[in-house]
Amino acid sequence: AQSVAQPEDQVNVAEGNPLTVKCTYSVSGNPYLFWYVQYPNRGLQFLLKYITGDNLVKGSYGFEAEFNKSQTSFHLKKPSALVSDSALYFCAVRDQGTGRRALTFGSGTRLQVQP
Amino acid sequence: GAGVSQSPRYKVAKRGQDVALRCDPISGHVSLFWYQQALGQGPEFLTYFQNEAQLDKSGLPSDRFFAERPEGSVSTLKIQRTQQEDSAVYLCASSQLAGYTGELFFGEGSRLTVL
Repeated sequence: AQSVAQPEDQVNVAEGNPLTVKCTYSVSGNPYLFWYVQYPNRGLQFLLKYITGDNLVKGSYGFEAEFNKSQTSFHLKKPSALVSDSALYFCAVRDQGTGRRALTFGSGTRLQVQP
Repeated sequence: GAGVSQSPRYKVAKRGQDVALRCDPISGHVSLFWYQQALGQGPEFLTYFQNEAQLDKSGLPSDRFFAERPEGSVSTLKIQRTQQEDSAVYLCASSQLAGYTGELFFGEGSRLTVL
């Protein structure tokens, strides 16, 4: 079975400060990992993904994420937060070994960036 | 259209009524997914189509839930004899290819409230 844990319901950070949103995963094989963002009254939007190769993945809006196989983590980061980054962030995983195409999502982390 | 379109955006049903939710994916997208998102939770997988073939329906919670994509484009999720626990946002997502690594493009969802 594949699963994702986002241990923080909410992360608060001041504008201009670095931000981290945590994600850990569990799969039987190798993972495909994704981050999505949900703004109010909008559909989920793709931010970035890890498939293979370089452990540091860069995505949209200046976000990046680091794949750490030994810690089974895929934390989302940004060097300098903007107020407009305030939204709901979801980590998701797909297990390469199962043959299933379904993504399993975490429960989400609400990011609040204060001016 | 440019994105994934879902209708209706909001649906209120009395317990026991049947409902149908429609999804228009991005033109030419091979893969189509349905997810259920309860309040305060991440999306949970319901079913997956590759063109017109329903390849995975393991997430459908009961036989009251039925999905189809007869011509490989528009999809309909039908819920028979709705129950209060069916209240949720139903998300449709499409992906250009049939593989495991592509990002999903989500619609804004259909919010179902069962009274």
